[in-house]
Amino acid sequence: DAGVIQSPRHEVTEMGQEVTLRCKPISGHNSLFWYRQTMMRGLELLIYFNNNVPIDDSGMPEDRFSAKMPNASFSTLKIQPSEPRDSAVYFCASSNPGRGPSSSYNEQFFGPGTRLTVL
Amino acid sequence: DAKTTQPPSMDCAEGRAANLPCNHSTISGNEYVYWYRQIHSQGPQYIIHGLKNNETNEMASLIITEDRKSSTLILPHATLRDTAVYYCIALNNNNDMRFGAGTRLTVKP
Repeated sequence: DAGVIQSPRHEVTEMGQEVTLRCKPISGHNSLFWYRQTMMRGLELLIYFNNNVPIDDSGMPEDRFSAKMPNASFSTLKIQPSEPRDSAVYFCASSNPGRGPSSSYNEQFFGPGTRLTVL
Repeated sequence: DAKTTQPPSMDCAEGRAANLPCNHSTISGNEYVYWYRQIHSQGPQYIIHGLKNNETNEMASLIITEDRKSSTLILPHATLRDTAVYYCIALNNNNDMRFGAGTRLTVKP
């Protein structure tokens, strides 16, 4: 398996522009997560989906952020309009809780991240 | 999920064991202790997890105290490639994994 795939790997845009980040989870995984990482705030969970349904979006900073998962193999995180303070590395992760070495197994597999710079 | 506390940084000599502590004094009975690490510029990587018994896999060992208020991740023979930020997370059956600041481990030659 290729692992979690994210695109683009790097994105540079100007303030006010719409940004769309994409994620393809590992095939067969039923949970998908979006994280944001900055030096100041560390690694933050933004939202996660179970079986394509958003479960907890309490980490989404504000209405400018939205996430969708139209099917089991694709998710997007959209920022509209973007602001310089949105500059960060955005990670997508997927998991298949309970399907592993033990019933408690809940490993999240992370993608390589998208480095977003908003000028 | 319970809050965890880790030292901000640690050093370890190459080839020696690295022992990374984590306090989770408010952990509840159904919360597991998970360890992840993040090597520079990469996404976090799962290492190991446990509930109350000590666990070992090909990467590390996890020692959990009997009262479950603290744990130690052991890398038995640290290499330069083990230099990373190590995160200790207390997680129940939900998927809501909250990363703290972690411990920055530097393995020195």
